[in-house]
Amino acid sequence: AQSVTQPDIHITVSEGASLELRCNYSYGATPYLFWYVQSPGQGLQLLLKYFSGDTLVQGIKGFEAEFKRSQSSFNLRKPSVHWSDAAEYFCAVGLNTGGFKTIFGAGTRLFVKA
Amino acid sequence: DVKVTQSSRYLVKRTGEKVFLECVQDMDHENMFWYRQDPGLGLRLIYFSYDVKMKEKGDIPEGYSVSREKKERFSLILESASTNQTSMYLCASSSDRRGTDTQYFGPGTRLTVL
Repeated sequence: AQSVTQPDIHITVSEGASLELRCNYSYGATPYLFWYVQSPGQGLQLLLKYFSGDTLVQGIKGFEAEFKRSQSSFNLRKPSVHWSDAAEYFCAVGLNTGGFKTIFGAGTRLFVKA
Repeated sequence: DVKVTQSSRYLVKRTGEKVFLECVQDMDHENMFWYRQDPGLGLRLIYFSYDVKMKEKGDIPEGYSVSREKKERFSLILESASTNQTSMYLCASSSDRRGTDTQYFGPGTRLTVL
Protein backbone atom coordinates (compact mmCIF):
# COMPACT_ATOMS: atom_id res chain seq x y z
CA ALA A 1 0.00 0.00 0.00
CA GLN A 2 1.13 3.51 -0.67
CA SER A 3 2.33 5.45 2.34
CA VAL A 4 4.28 8.50 3.42
CA THR A 5 6.47 8.46 6.50
CA GLN A 6 7.77 11.47 8.34
CA PRO A 7 9.95 9.91 11.05
CA ASP A 8 10.22 13.01 13.23
CA ILE A 9 7.08 14.10 15.07
CA HIS A 10 8.76 17.31 16.17
CA ILE A 11 12.12 19.01 15.74
CA THR A 12 13.66 21.96 17.54
CA VAL A 13 16.36 24.07 15.92
CA SER A 14 18.02 27.33 16.86
CA GLU A 15 17.32 30.40 14.78
CA GLY A 16 19.97 30.66 12.08
CA ALA A 17 20.76 26.96 12.12
CA SER A 18 20.19 24.67 9.17
CA LEU A 19 17.14 22.41 8.91
CA GLU A 20 16.40 19.07 7.33
CA LEU A 21 12.98 17.41 7.58
CA ARG A 22 12.80 13.82 6.48
CA CYS A 23 10.22 12.18 4.26
CA ASN A 24 10.08 8.65 2.89
CA TYR A 25 7.41 7.25 0.64
CA SER A 26 6.27 3.89 -0.54
CA TYR A 27 4.91 3.85 -4.09
CA GLY A 28 5.72 1.63 -7.06
CA ALA A 29 5.75 4.22 -9.80
CA THR A 30 7.37 7.63 -10.05
CA PRO A 31 5.48 9.75 -7.59
CA TYR A 32 4.46 13.34 -7.55
CA LEU A 33 5.92 14.78 -4.33
CA PHE A 34 4.91 17.81 -2.33
CA TRP A 35 5.82 19.67 0.81
CA TYR A 36 3.17 21.80 2.48
CA VAL A 37 3.46 24.06 5.52
CA GLN A 38 0.73 24.83 8.04
CA SER A 39 1.24 27.87 10.22
CA PRO A 40 -0.77 28.08 13.45
CA GLY A 41 -4.44 28.66 12.75
CA GLN A 42 -3.95 28.45 8.99
CA GLY A 43 -4.67 26.02 6.20
CA LEU A 44 -1.88 24.27 4.35
CA GLN A 45 0.25 26.16 1.84
CA LEU A 46 2.41 24.58 -0.84
CA LEU A 47 6.15 25.04 -0.31
CA LEU A 48 7.37 23.09 -3.34
CA LYS A 49 6.64 20.10 -5.54
CA TYR A 50 8.49 17.60 -7.70
CA PHE A 51 7.16 15.58 -10.59
CA SER A 52 10.05 15.25 -13.05
CA GLY A 53 13.37 16.74 -14.14
CA ASP A 54 15.97 18.15 -11.80
CA THR A 55 15.85 16.25 -8.54
CA LEU A 56 16.70 19.34 -6.50
CA VAL A 57 13.64 21.54 -6.26
CA GLN A 58 13.50 25.11 -5.05
CA GLY A 59 10.46 26.40 -3.25
CA ILE A 60 9.15 29.46 -1.51
CA LYS A 61 10.56 30.99 1.68
CA GLY A 62 14.09 29.70 0.92
CA PHE A 63 13.21 26.00 1.15
CA GLU A 64 14.50 23.28 -1.13
CA ALA A 65 13.99 19.52 -1.36
CA GLU A 66 15.86 16.71 -3.02
CA PHE A 67 14.25 13.65 -4.58
CA LYS A 68 16.34 10.51 -4.16
CA ARG A 69 14.76 7.61 -5.97
CA SER A 70 17.19 5.03 -4.57
CA GLN A 71 16.23 5.99 -1.02
CA SER A 72 12.55 6.73 -1.73
CA SER A 73 13.09 10.04 0.00
CA PHE A 74 12.15 13.66 -0.50
CA ASN A 75 13.78 15.59 2.34
CA LEU A 76 13.14 19.27 2.90
CA ARG A 77 16.02 21.60 3.72
CA LYS A 78 16.66 25.20 4.62
CA PRO A 79 20.15 26.59 5.22
CA SER A 80 19.18 29.13 7.88
CA VAL A 81 15.94 28.93 9.85
CA HIS A 82 13.97 32.01 10.88
CA TRP A 83 11.63 32.21 13.86
CA SER A 84 8.71 32.60 11.43
CA ASP A 85 9.42 29.11 10.07
CA ALA A 86 7.93 27.57 13.21
CA ALA A 87 5.00 25.56 11.85
CA GLU A 88 3.93 22.06 10.95
CA TYR A 89 5.31 20.58 7.75
CA PHE A 90 3.61 17.88 5.71
CA CYS A 91 5.13 15.73 3.03
CA ALA A 92 2.68 14.35 0.48
CA VAL A 93 2.63 11.94 -2.43
CA GLY A 94 0.35 12.35 -5.42
CA LEU A 95 -0.96 9.16 -6.96
CA ASN A 96 -2.39 9.01 -10.44
CA THR A 97 -4.67 6.03 -10.07
CA GLY A 98 -7.37 6.88 -12.56
CA GLY A 99 -8.08 9.95 -10.54
CA PHE A 100 -5.60 12.03 -8.67
CA LYS A 101 -5.29 11.37 -4.97
CA THR A 102 -2.83 12.76 -2.43
CA ILE A 103 -1.54 10.88 0.60
CA PHE A 104 -0.15 13.01 3.40
CA GLY A 105 2.41 12.16 6.03
CA ALA A 106 1.63 12.63 9.70
CA GLY A 107 3.54 15.91 9.80
CA THR A 108 6.61 17.27 11.57
CA ARG A 109 6.21 20.18 13.93
CA LEU A 110 9.13 22.58 13.85
CA PHE A 111 10.02 24.63 16.90
CA VAL A 112 12.55 27.46 16.56
CA LYS A 113 14.44 28.68 19.60
CA ALA A 114 16.09 32.06 19.88
CA ASP B 1 -4.84 34.43 -5.66
CA VAL B 2 -6.87 31.30 -5.06
CA LYS B 3 -9.17 31.62 -2.15
CA VAL B 4 -10.85 28.75 -0.36
CA THR B 5 -13.21 29.74 2.40
CA GLN B 6 -14.92 27.61 5.00
CA SER B 7 -18.12 28.67 6.67
CA SER B 8 -16.94 28.45 10.27
CA ARG B 9 -13.58 28.44 12.04
CA TYR B 10 -15.00 26.88 15.20
CA LEU B 11 -18.14 24.83 15.68
CA VAL B 12 -19.59 23.08 18.72
CA LYS B 13 -22.36 20.54 18.23
CA ARG B 14 -24.10 17.89 20.27
CA THR B 15 -24.08 14.16 19.67
CA GLY B 16 -26.75 13.16 17.17
CA GLU B 17 -27.03 16.55 15.52
CA LYS B 18 -26.82 16.92 11.75
CA VAL B 19 -23.84 19.11 10.89
CA PHE B 20 -23.10 20.97 7.68
CA LEU B 21 -19.63 22.23 6.82
CA GLU B 22 -19.49 24.50 3.81
CA CYS B 23 -16.56 25.21 1.51
CA VAL B 24 -16.38 27.69 -1.34
CA GLN B 25 -13.57 28.28 -3.82
CA ASP B 26 -13.33 31.22 -6.17
CA MET B 27 -10.98 29.94 -8.90
CA ASP B 28 -13.27 27.74 -10.96
CA HIS B 29 -11.41 24.61 -9.86
CA GLU B 30 -12.69 21.24 -11.00
CA ASN B 31 -11.62 19.25 -7.96
CA MET B 32 -12.60 19.70 -4.36
CA PHE B 33 -11.63 17.68 -1.31
CA TRP B 34 -12.57 17.23 2.32
CA TYR B 35 -9.96 16.06 4.81
CA ARG B 36 -9.89 15.63 8.53
CA GLN B 37 -6.73 16.40 10.44
CA ASP B 38 -5.89 14.68 13.71
CA PRO B 39 -2.65 14.87 15.72
CA GLY B 40 -0.21 12.16 14.71
CA LEU B 41 -2.37 11.05 11.78
CA GLY B 42 -1.82 13.88 9.32
CA LEU B 43 -4.59 14.55 6.82
CA ARG B 44 -7.00 11.81 5.87
CA LEU B 45 -9.24 12.10 2.86
CA ILE B 46 -12.96 11.82 3.55
CA TYR B 47 -14.53 12.55 0.16
CA PHE B 48 -13.60 14.28 -3.05
CA SER B 49 -15.33 15.53 -6.15
CA TYR B 50 -14.11 15.97 -9.72
CA ASP B 51 -17.20 17.65 -11.04
CA VAL B 52 -20.58 19.01 -10.12
CA LYS B 53 -22.88 16.36 -8.67
CA MET B 54 -20.02 13.90 -8.71
CA LYS B 55 -18.44 12.45 -5.56
CA GLU B 56 -16.04 9.71 -4.64
CA LYS B 57 -15.22 8.17 -1.31
CA GLY B 58 -11.85 8.76 0.20
CA ASP B 59 -10.17 6.73 2.89
CA ILE B 60 -12.56 7.41 5.78
CA PRO B 61 -16.06 8.16 4.42
CA GLU B 62 -18.04 6.39 7.15
CA GLY B 63 -20.38 8.73 8.98
CA TYR B 64 -20.04 11.46 6.35
CA SER B 65 -21.70 12.48 3.13
CA VAL B 66 -21.08 15.31 0.69
CA SER B 67 -22.93 17.49 -1.75
CA ARG B 68 -21.70 19.41 -4.76
CA GLU B 69 -24.59 21.18 -6.46
CA LYS B 70 -22.45 24.03 -7.81
CA LYS B 71 -18.88 23.96 -9.05
CA GLU B 72 -17.62 26.41 -6.45
CA ARG B 73 -19.26 24.84 -3.41
CA PHE B 74 -18.58 21.51 -1.68
CA SER B 75 -20.43 20.63 1.49
CA LEU B 76 -19.55 18.01 4.07
CA ILE B 77 -22.44 16.57 6.06
CA LEU B 78 -22.27 14.68 9.31
CA GLU B 79 -25.61 12.90 9.34
CA SER B 80 -25.54 12.20 13.09
CA ALA B 81 -22.53 13.71 14.79
CA SER B 82 -20.57 11.57 17.21
CA THR B 83 -17.79 12.44 19.63
CA ASN B 84 -15.22 10.62 17.52
CA GLN B 85 -15.87 13.14 14.77
CA THR B 86 -14.36 15.89 16.88
CA SER B 87 -11.54 17.07 14.65
CA MET B 88 -10.15 19.75 12.37
CA TYR B 89 -11.77 19.65 8.94
CA LEU B 90 -9.93 21.03 5.95
CA CYS B 91 -11.35 21.73 2.53
CA ALA B 92 -9.13 21.98 -0.55
CA SER B 93 -9.46 22.55 -4.26
CA SER B 94 -7.27 21.95 -7.31
CA SER B 95 -7.47 22.76 -10.96
CA ASP B 96 -7.48 19.47 -12.88
CA ARG B 97 -6.93 15.75 -12.70
CA ARG B 98 -3.25 15.66 -13.54
CA GLY B 99 -0.92 14.43 -10.87
CA THR B 100 0.85 17.75 -10.70
CA ASP B 101 -2.07 19.44 -9.02
CA THR B 102 -1.33 21.78 -6.20
CA GLN B 103 -4.10 21.74 -3.64
CA TYR B 104 -5.27 25.01 -2.16
CA PHE B 105 -6.58 24.77 1.36
CA GLY B 106 -9.08 26.67 3.41
CA PRO B 107 -8.26 27.73 6.98
CA GLY B 108 -10.09 24.79 8.50
CA THR B 109 -13.08 24.26 10.76
CA ARG B 110 -12.41 22.95 14.23
CA LEU B 111 -15.45 20.88 15.16
CA THR B 112 -16.16 19.77 18.69
CA VAL B 113 -18.93 17.24 19.27
CA LEU B 114 -20.14 17.06 22.87
